[in-house]
Amino acid sequence: GEDVEQSLFLSVREGDSSVINCTYTDSSSTYLYWYKQEPGAGLQLLTYIFSNMDMKQDQRLTVLLNKKDKHLSLRIADTQTGDSAIYFCAENKGNTGGFKTIFGAGTRLFVKA
Amino acid sequence: GAVVSQHPSWVICKSGTSVKIECRSLDFQATTMFWYRQFPKQSLMLMATSNEGSKATYEQGVEKDKFLINHASLTLSTLTVTSAHPEDSSFYICSARGLAKETQYFGPGTRLLVL
Repeated sequence: GEDVEQSLFLSVREGDSSVINCTYTDSSSTYLYWYKQEPGAGLQLLTYIFSNMDMKQDQRLTVLLNKKDKHLSLRIADTQTGDSAIYFCAENKGNTGGFKTIFGAGTRLFVKA
Repeated sequence: GAVVSQHPSWVICKSGTSVKIECRSLDFQATTMFWYRQFPKQSLMLMATSNEGSKATYEQGVEKDKFLINHASLTLSTLTVTSAHPEDSSFYICSARGLAKETQYFGPGTRLLVL
């Protein structure tokens, strides 16, 4: 199967919380990431978590990591219309000379006013 | 955060021509740079990893003679799409990693359209 899997769509109402889920395969990944991509733009690193952590909070963002199940989630509190974008989960995998980042297919978040 | 630029931001070319895309790390030295391709509504697919001063490592299925990568300095990597064809039309994104290896910084992307 794919290295990183995530659901393709999520729709929420403005003010609600959004939870985007992701599963990955490489148990040796040391870092896991969440990126945001707005239409026609590059990627913006939102947050990342080290594999020995199970939670990280940064303002409206909360990342939960279940290393046993290889499950990562991103919770956005008080979701705003400006949060509408594609969110990519990513893991790093070792390769010659260092590591490379493998991305999921992206979850398209729609925020309804 | 660190800044990565790409040039050009978009390019239209005729089939059979070659196109060069530049990726620059503006305020840090990038020991490793990555090139990705993204088709509409799809994820980023890693094409190759390049370390400064050495040959790039290409992912399976990526033709190294078609996608030439040069990483001659710690702040510049170039991707040349040789003899471009319409199927090469895509969004090409580079990223750079400095000494803090846990993070990559992405450029804004280059949209290539081959007619």
